[in-house]
Amino acid sequence: GAGVSQSPRYKVAKRGQDVALRCDPISGHVSLFWYQQALGQGPEFLTYFQNEAQLDKSGLPSDRFFAERPEGSVSTLKIQRTQQEDSAVYLCASSLAAQGARGYTFGSGTRLTVV
Amino acid sequence: EDQVTQSPEALRLQEGESSSLNCSYTVSGLRGLFWYRQDPGKGPEFLFTLYSAGEEKEKERLKATLTKKESFLHITAPKPEDSATYLCAVQAGGGATNKLIFGTGTLLAVQP
Repeated sequence: GAGVSQSPRYKVAKRGQDVALRCDPISGHVSLFWYQQALGQGPEFLTYFQNEAQLDKSGLPSDRFFAERPEGSVSTLKIQRTQQEDSAVYLCASSLAAQGARGYTFGSGTRLTVV
Repeated sequence: EDQVTQSPEALRLQEGESSSLNCSYTVSGLRGLFWYRQDPGKGPEFLFTLYSAGEEKEKERLKATLTKKESFLHITAPKPEDSATYLCAVQAGGGATNKLIFGTGTLLAVQP
């Protein structure tokens, strides 16, 4: 497609439930990023992939968060045993370049609400 | 610690009333400073990248400038369609990561 596609757009999870969020980057984009945006805040970095390699996962808040991009295209962010503080918008972005944030395109995000 | 602070948190303007948004930053080796626009329910949309002090970039009614400690986003004669949250972000030097560090944004409302 023309842009970064994320699904689902909205997800309501009961506390303790596992969730999986999907990101379809722009075709051919090498770099893929996940960010978490709490209400009224700026996005916060979670993790970065270059092709299928996860080069930086320093922003993942706990070992309940796991991300993968097995074939260097679609990526999945998984959250196990969700908690209320996980409620946020999860944004995916992709970039053609391996270096730098030039041409960084964001998807519209998945809004996760944990009840 | 790398940090970005934006002010004001919110700004209400009348149509045609020019103003500026501020982004102050502390970063270990600036690789780039970015401005994004975010509409409700959407992801951030790229506006500008600035790389060195003294650099300026313009797009329609928007002009971004950069010094060694801060960046300004000047909005000239704004229109209601300029209403959005404006986010500033920096990319620090060193390492393999290309992450952006964002501020909390300025919520701009332009009234007709």
